[in-house]
Amino acid sequence: AQTVTQSQPEMSVQEAETVTLSCTYDTSESNYYLFWYKQPPSRQMILVIRQEAYKQQNATENRFSVNFQKAAKSFSLKISDSQLGDTAMYFCAFMKDFTGANSKLTFGKGITLSVRP
Amino acid sequence: ETGVTQSPTHLIKTRGQQVTLRCSSQSGHNTVSWYQQALGQGPQFIFQYYREEENGRGNFPPRFSGLQFPNYSSELNVNALELDDSALYLCASSSTGNEQYFGPGTRLTVT
Repeated sequence: AQTVTQSQPEMSVQEAETVTLSCTYDTSESNYYLFWYKQPPSRQMILVIRQEAYKQQNATENRFSVNFQKAAKSFSLKISDSQLGDTAMYFCAFMKDFTGANSKLTFGKGITLSVRP
Repeated sequence: ETGVTQSPTHLIKTRGQQVTLRCSSQSGHNTVSWYQQALGQGPQFIFQYYREEENGRGNFPPRFSGLQFPNYSSELNVNALELDDSALYLCASSSTGNEQYFGPGTRLTVT
């Protein structure tokens, strides 16, 4: 079974600065997918970024980028130029693949990010 | 394109009662997954429905059951409610081979 660990319960960052959120995972699979989801106070889970394990290049989406270290089973999220709207809970999630029940997401406990004005 | 919707937004039930939560999937999506998110925790996978059949189940007892309808909307039913069932229930829809899109959730409180 896969496990996802987010050991930082809370983080705070000044607006316009950069922050990195950490995530480690454990799996015996060689191919899989990793995600970062954002959950603002409105509760709706929003996909931030996705990384395929077979890709060596780190994924980037505008101000969001990841540092994927497959051997270390580490998957951190870097948010550049932090904005007040980035205040939310952030969840790291693992998925084996997109077929049937393998597409279930395994989430970490999440980290609460606060962006200070 | 209509997103994933869930109803009701929140509800309060008494221990031992039964509850039905509803989810309308995003247009074009044929798969619905349900997750339970306890306060301060990450979501936990309950089960998934694909074309009206259960297609995988997490570590939840049989009193958690579901349905998917021909229009791909879905219901989550919980019988004999327990205090620990108090949580945010999220549904997510997807089409084959694509990411899951989440609804806003139903907050269930069991007293």
